[in-house]
Amino acid sequence: GAGVSQSPSNKVTEKGKDVELRCDPISGHTALYWYRQSLGQGLEFLIYFQGNSAPDKSGLPSDRFSAERTGGSVSTLTIQRTQQEDSAVYLCASSLQGGPGANVLTFGAGSRLTVL
Amino acid sequence: QKEVEQDPGPLSVPEGAIVSLNCTYSNSAFQYFMWYRQYSRKGPELLMYTYSSGNKEDGRFTAQVDKSSKYISLFIRDSQPSDSATYLCADKAPGSARQLTFGSGTQLTVLP
Repeated sequence: GAGVSQSPSNKVTEKGKDVELRCDPISGHTALYWYRQSLGQGLEFLIYFQGNSAPDKSGLPSDRFSAERTGGSVSTLTIQRTQQEDSAVYLCASSLQGGPGANVLTFGAGSRLTVL
Repeated sequence: QKEVEQDPGPLSVPEGAIVSLNCTYSNSAFQYFMWYRQYSRKGPELLMYTYSSGNKEDGRFTAQVDKSSKYISLFIRDSQPSDSATYLCADKAPGSARQLTFGSGTQLTVLP
């Protein structure tokens, strides 16, 4: 697609429920990133997918968080047993794999998660 | 200590003013420096990208990098109300393919 598409744009859930957030990257971008942005905070790295390599999961805050990327394209971030501190905007970004383009991330508009 | 420090503001200036936004970083391996602009309820978008010390100019925007003091700046000339946004600096080390390290962002408001 023309840009990075994320859904849902807004999600309100109850504490303890599971949520799934979807990211559709730019066609041809083999690198995909998930970040979390809490109110007034910078971007916190969560996970990085690069082609067929094993994902870098080092930023996931707990084992309640997981992500997968199917067919090298669409990615889903799953948060199990949501907690109130999970409330944030979850941003997905994609980039080219190599060269200077690998440093240029294109972000989606984010999925705003509110856990009541 | 965070790897990238940025004054969160908020910063409020009158239209037409020159704006200076700054970041410091601690990782001497950082070689790529970026500024992203984020409008309210939108994702960040790349504004400026440089990989060397010195200045890079693009219209009303100038990015400045001083590697000796680990200091990066973004200058906005003739600021406009449409420049009102949060500005995030981001750094990356070469060979570190996995991610950028972002500052916390500076919220800028340009008053008409």
